[in-house]
Amino acid sequence: AQSVAQPEDQVNVAEGNPLTVKCTYSVSGNPYLFWYVQYPNRGLQFLLKYITGDNLVKGSYGFEAEFNKSQTSFHLKKPSALVSDSALYFCAVRDTRNTPLVFGKGTRLSVIA
Amino acid sequence: DGGITQSPKYLFRKEGQNVTLSCEQNLNHDAMYWYRQDPGQGLRLIYYSQIVNDFQKGDIAEGYSVSREKKESFPLTVTSAQKNPTAFYLCASTPGQGNYGYTFGSGTRLTVV
Repeated sequence: AQSVAQPEDQVNVAEGNPLTVKCTYSVSGNPYLFWYVQYPNRGLQFLLKYITGDNLVKGSYGFEAEFNKSQTSFHLKKPSALVSDSALYFCAVRDTRNTPLVFGKGTRLSVIA
Repeated sequence: DGGITQSPKYLFRKEGQNVTLSCEQNLNHDAMYWYRQDPGQGLRLIYYSQIVNDFQKGDIAEGYSVSREKKESFPLTVTSAQKNPTAFYLCASTPGQGNYGYTFGSGTRLTVV
């Protein structure tokens, strides 16, 4: 069975500092990995995905994520955080058999001015 | 613009009542999904459909029902058998086979009164 762990419920970072939101996964075979962001009372918005190829994936709004197969991790990163990045972030995984996405429990990011 | 429309945005249900949440997409996507979001629990899969007139149960299907009579529409009925229906419900779609991410609707917040 597929699963995703986001070990931090909350991450606080000062504006201008780098941020990292952690994600580890478990899947049979090769993973498809995704990051989504959710603002209050809204649906999820796609940030980036890893399918194959380069381990460093660049996405929307200056976010990037690094795929590490040996550590089964897919951490989300941004070099310089903005207050507007404050939101709920979800990591998701599926295998290559077209099964539905499995989501982590989410990490709330708070960027403090 | 193409997208997914969920309605209503807010819905109130009395005890013992069935209610139906609407999800319509004009993206020509084959697959559609319903997730339930509760605080601290992430997104949990209720039902999904990969093709018209076919659907599968997700992890928490008890007390819910769906239909997929048209490609564009995937309504979710919350029945009286669902004992704790208060939650935020999200509909999503994807083109189907392949490494696609999901497009999400803006959600319906259901409250039992």
